[in-house]
Amino acid sequence: SAVISQKPSRDICQRGTSLTIQCQVDSQVTMMFWYRQQPGQSLTLIATANQGSEATYESGFVIDKFPISRPNLTFSTLTVSNMSPEDSSIYLCSGRAGGTGELFFGEGSRLTVL
Amino acid sequence: QQPVQSPQAVILREGEDAVINCSSSKALYSVHWYRQKHGEAPVFLMILLKGGEQKGHDKISASFNEKKQQSSLYLTASQLSYSGTYFCGTRDTGGFKTIFGAGTRLFVKA
Repeated sequence: SAVISQKPSRDICQRGTSLTIQCQVDSQVTMMFWYRQQPGQSLTLIATANQGSEATYESGFVIDKFPISRPNLTFSTLTVSNMSPEDSSIYLCSGRAGGTGELFFGEGSRLTVL
Repeated sequence: QQPVQSPQAVILREGEDAVINCSSSKALYSVHWYRQKHGEAPVFLMILLKGGEQKGHDKISASFNEKKQQSSLYLTASQLSYSGTYFCGTRDTGGFKTIFGAGTRLFVKA
């Protein structure tokens, strides 16, 4: 199975600030995705991180609020900008292995905005 | 579009069986099943790619009816370790992203 490392694992931030989450995957991963999970809720896809180009965002998510970079095959960052308490959530980095298409997840970054 | 899962929650005694259903309004390329324990990341269980395909390992198996756009996860002789939230994830025909259902909370008690 693919190994996905994510950091920070948790953070407490002030309203109006920004936080960048980093994700490192091993070489088996071909596609990378960012999900958000509110406590007790499902996983909501934020965007697909595209290598060397702009991410593909899902409805309800915009680049100005959630800028994503993927400078190479194995690394991606998600920034949560101008945070508000509504952004408090767990953010999960995910990678898909090329063969079967199964998704592997990082441990998640639990973000609390005060 | 988010697949629909049912039931929302299940409480079992050890050794009992359960079925979790997942359906979509769109033509599906694949269905994935994941289990997430509290405070942990989701863990992949299995993927089903073809209509009518069934898969399983240990006492957990799943089926996929491509024509009906439905999948079911079967847990037999449940163990305490089966407790958690089960998510189905679907990929549309021609799509590359996985969309998850709302989840089914399963609690197995001794």
